[in-house]
Amino acid sequence: AAGVIQSPRHLIKEKRETATLKCYPIPRHDTVYWYQQGPGQDPQFLISFYEKMQSDKGSIPDRFSAQQFSDYHSELNMSSLELGDSALYFCASSPFTDTQYFGPGTRLTVL
Amino acid sequence: QKEVEQNSGPLSVPEGAIASLNCTYSDRGSQSFFWYRQYSGKSPELIMSIYSNGDKEDGRFTAQLNKASQYVSLLIRDSQPSDSATYLCAVNMGPGTASKLTFGTGTRLQVTL
Repeated sequence: AAGVIQSPRHLIKEKRETATLKCYPIPRHDTVYWYQQGPGQDPQFLISFYEKMQSDKGSIPDRFSAQQFSDYHSELNMSSLELGDSALYFCASSPFTDTQYFGPGTRLTVL
Repeated sequence: QKEVEQNSGPLSVPEGAIASLNCTYSDRGSQSFFWYRQYSGKSPELIMSIYSNGDKEDGRFTAQLNKASQYVSLLIRDSQPSDSATYLCAVNMGPGTASKLTFGTGTRLQVTL
């Protein structure tokens, strides 16, 4: 079965640089969620989109923005990167029901 | 106090035994509850979802929900070394279905030979 696709899988950036993470949801899933997981921590919700509109917002820094496109894929844009942004970033998608399926994640390292 | 609480473990059980993982949550209005398994450095993998009070069984896994006590549990029967992972309890606290999951800190399970 098709799963959530995330790219890139690994990303290394310098402080103050920008990064763009991409997420391709499972086909026919209309809702996308972004989570951040620091080392030894549980996933923290950042933001979600339903039918290309923002549906919920969590502890997402103002330096981050996201959107969902007409083909339902989503991008998380991160600017002025800080060392503390180093984490695993997961995208999850869900169909009409609320069960969320997670992608493999993007490991972001900020040097 | 976290909205979703789990014992961080590690919980150590011998191969073939039953592992019992527990979770409590603070929002009495929560409607959807999930258990995810996460191997180190990997993404959360859905094991079970449960929405109604009582038990729900799927293979070696049984989820139990008690909304009055705000308590969710996961039983793993015939534990295998491959079950060694961190188990995350997640709660959808609404208001809608397209709402965030709030995770516990996870319980690390070790299945010993």
